[in-house]
Amino acid sequence: NFMLTQPHSVSESPGKTVTISCTRSSGSIASNYVQWYQQRPGSAPTTVIYEDNQRPSGVPDRFSGSIDSSSNSASLTISGLKTEDEADYYCQSYDSSTAVFGGGTKLTVL
Amino acid sequence: EVQLVESGGGLVQPGGSLRLSCAASGFTFSSYAMSWVRQAPGKGLEWVSAISGSGGSTYYADSVKGRFTISRDNSKNTLYLQMNSLRAEDTAVYYCAKSIEITFGGVIVQYYFDYWGQGTLVTVSS
Repeated sequence: NFMLTQPHSVSESPGKTVTISCTRSSGSIASNYVQWYQQRPGSAPTTVIYEDNQRPSGVPDRFSGSIDSSSNSASLTISGLKTEDEADYYCQSYDSSTAVFGGGTKLTVL
Repeated sequence: EVQLVESGGGLVQPGGSLRLSCAASGFTFSSYAMSWVRQAPGKGLEWVSAISGSGGSTYYADSVKGRFTISRDNSKNTLYLQMNSLRAEDTAVYYCAKSIEITFGGVIVQYYFDYWGQGTLVTVSS
């Protein structure tokens, strides 16, 4: 199976834009959908992006997802940062009967 | 509204067994695959096991294969995880997740999670 690599942490100020990357180790990033999950401290994960760039109902349009075949990576971009966006973010994809998660990125909004 | 409520967690000694349950509501349970995902203290998410809507197909992470068994009772809208031969490294919060399974020619090509429960803590310690 492939691995998904995320930065351990990122930080940005309220109102700014931040991008979190998720790089696939082997095989094409476009081969399988990438999802993004948000996990606030002490809470269960919730889905913020599915199928590379789709937002579930109720997720603000400040959240967007994309994939880049040239870097074999996916990205989660959050614009107009709010303090409530401070959380851990995980990317996830699929390969050979296994769901694969990235290691997670801690987003600090300060 | 989709709701997933896990139960059955607790403290168990190494080598012991535990059965987790996940009660589902707000959707047609038998039409969806379901999964268990765990999170060790201070660590990231790890997929554990999955089961098809009918229960006819099951999948396991290598770390639990041969020790854990996933099952479901569609008449009770409930998902289960039977955990045997538990080890300290199985200590984690276990989440059940409603899953989206996309197939092509009978083969799963995409798989992800759209709703998550609140989790149940399993602690393996003597």
